Amino acid sequence: QVQLVQSGAEVKKPGASVKVSCKASGYTFTSYGISWVRQAPGQGLEWMGWISAYNGNTNYAQKLQGRVTMTTDTSTSTAYMELRSLRSDDTAVYYCARRAYSSSSFVDYWGQGTLVTVSS
Amino acid sequence: SYVLTQPPSVSVAPGQTARITCGGNNIGSKSVHWYQQKPGQAPVLVVYDDSDRPSGIPERFSGSNSGNTATLTISRVEAGDEADYYCQVWDSSSDHYVFGTGTKVTVL
Repeated sequence: QVQLVQSGAEVKKPGASVKVSCKASGYTFTSYGISWVRQAPGQGLEWMGWISAYNGNTNYAQKLQGRVTMTTDTSTSTAYMELRSLRSDDTAVYYCARRAYSSSSFVDYWGQGTLVTVSS
Repeated sequence: SYVLTQPPSVSVAPGQTARITCGGNNIGSKSVHWYQQKPGQAPVLVVYDDSDRPSGIPERFSGSNSGNTATLTISRVEAGDEADYYCQVWDSSSDHYVFGTGTKVTVL
């Protein structure tokens, strides 16, 4: 069965960086992309971007351009999301999710989420 | 950028029908996907491509999309359906996802 297992919770100071991992299993990793979505406390879902596990192409949300980098390691079927210059409003649960395709695009499996807390 | 608007909350009695709307400019020309999120859990896909259900999702969950409004309908509502629901579309020109504002469904 498809599983996405994320790394554990992080506490960071403002200005620092965080790197969250997402290990995939149960499917051919390079046949799908990985999207990243975050959710601030009590707020809705915010799409951050996605990466093709096939060729490493990325597409980021405009508001995060320059601060976020998404990568993959196909040898371990793991995706990574690094966010730099952290601010207090980056405090959120970060989810990875498998990108699915039809005539459109959506995500069909989600990781369990990783809480990132930014606090001085 | 494209905006999807949902009502903040919907209340429904057990056994009745809940309808959750998702408004967007000419949303009927796009495919709409719906996610259910229970407290403390990751979202779960319940409807994709306007009205298709992933395996394991009850037939009680259905969707429609026309004009400026997409709708997720939950028939014969159960206590376990209490959750937040989000719509989502894909902007093919930018290859970006847009999520709706979310609707909290309360089962009375």
